[in-house]
Amino acid sequence: KAGVTQTPRYLIKTRGQQVTLSCSPISGHRSVSWYQQTPGQGLQFLFEYFSETQRNKGNFPGRFSGRQFSNSRSEMNVSTLELGDSALYLCASGYGGDEQFFGPGTRLTVL
Amino acid sequence: GENVEQHPSTLSVQEGDSAVIKCTYSDSASNYFPWYKQELGKGPQLIIDIRSNVGEKKDQRIAVTLNKTAKHFSLHITETQPEDSAVYFCAASINDYKLSFGAGTTVTVRA
Repeated sequence: KAGVTQTPRYLIKTRGQQVTLSCSPISGHRSVSWYQQTPGQGLQFLFEYFSETQRNKGNFPGRFSGRQFSNSRSEMNVSTLELGDSALYLCASGYGGDEQFFGPGTRLTVL
Repeated sequence: GENVEQHPSTLSVQEGDSAVIKCTYSDSASNYFPWYKQELGKGPQLIIDIRSNVGEKKDQRIAVTLNKTAKHFSLHITETQPEDSAVYFCAASINDYKLSFGAGTTVTVRA
């Protein structure tokens, strides 16, 4: 079974721009979660979707948003990028319970 | 929210020796405790997990123990090998589709 795929793997943007990251879950998984990983803050939960519905959201500003499509693929969007948004953005998928399997991440650099 | 503390932050062991990583959590409602291994340039990989109704779980050279009363859980790696070198993260969940992570432990296995 193929793992979680994330595109693009690397991204460079400038302050003020917006960015959209994509995640394709493992086949059969209906839950997709997003996390931000930085050296200073570690792994922090952004949001989780199941069957196109957001079930939980972390403590991030409204500039961070996401959605899930009917095929379980998910996207997250960050608007008005700030330098502090530079991070590895990880997507994880699961059947809808606790178990989550991570993708390789998208490395976002904001200049 | 849930707060997970992880110790030590770095751990260096001789090949063949054992490694132990300890985590404490704050929310007594937490009931799922996974451990992830993250290698350079990759996403976290689920290596073992335990639920609150179980005190110990073992998978080959890896074992996890849980003490609900003290609110702490530990990862034990026996007969360490060079390929065990990585960053290890503990996490906790109160079944709200969100994982709260520890800060990570960088394990180095010396040949």
